[in-house]
Amino acid sequence: DSGVTQTPKHLITATGQRVTLRCSPRSGDLSVYWYQQSLDQGLQFLIQYYNGEERAKGNILERFSAQQFPDLHSELNLSSLELGDSALYFCASSPRDTEAFFGQGTRLTVV
Amino acid sequence: GESVGLHLPTLSVQEGDNSIINCAYSNSASDYFIWYKQESGKGPQFIIDIRSNMDKRQGQRVTVLLNKTVKHLSLQIAATQPGDSAVYFCAENSGYSTLTFGKGTMLLVSP
Repeated sequence: DSGVTQTPKHLITATGQRVTLRCSPRSGDLSVYWYQQSLDQGLQFLIQYYNGEERAKGNILERFSAQQFPDLHSELNLSSLELGDSALYFCASSPRDTEAFFGQGTRLTVV
Repeated sequence: GESVGLHLPTLSVQEGDNSIINCAYSNSASDYFIWYKQESGKGPQFIIDIRSNMDKRQGQRVTVLLNKTVKHLSLQIAATQPGDSAVYFCAENSGYSTLTFGKGTMLLVSP
């Protein structure tokens, strides 16, 4: 158990819909990262927050957004969902600029 | 394109053998590398890391070697066990701990 908690574990939704994925980082970790894992693209970095502020942005679509709250938990919002958004979404947290600890992921299926 | 990549998608070994998983990276400015293990249905799990000022780092049954001249990483697993069966990713720190992952190598350990 990495200490990073993600909910829900599974999510099935229709195209065009909007969903919110939630992440609770390890106690004391200020950095939260979101990654997308798909079969054809592998693990792709989406976005990073540090103590409530966006710190780095990767291959995140404009339809996707994230935020980190004062209690350090984070949410990833995915809107206008397309079939190609089906993937595993991982949250990770880090105490400093070193290794990141990953949650168990949310499997999103868009039908 | 990706700056970190793995050449072989699958490595099959017998229990008790030593396993070597290789990874090439292209960003010579990268200064921190991590190996992750991902079991089916789980998030990536930190195995071992190495900074660019080191050539070798050892953990429990695992050793990471870094050759900066040819931009190559390897993960050696001693006395491989069935529980080591998983997909192994090398990752490169792109800054602020945002990781660029290779495509992964599946390690299959036969009893």
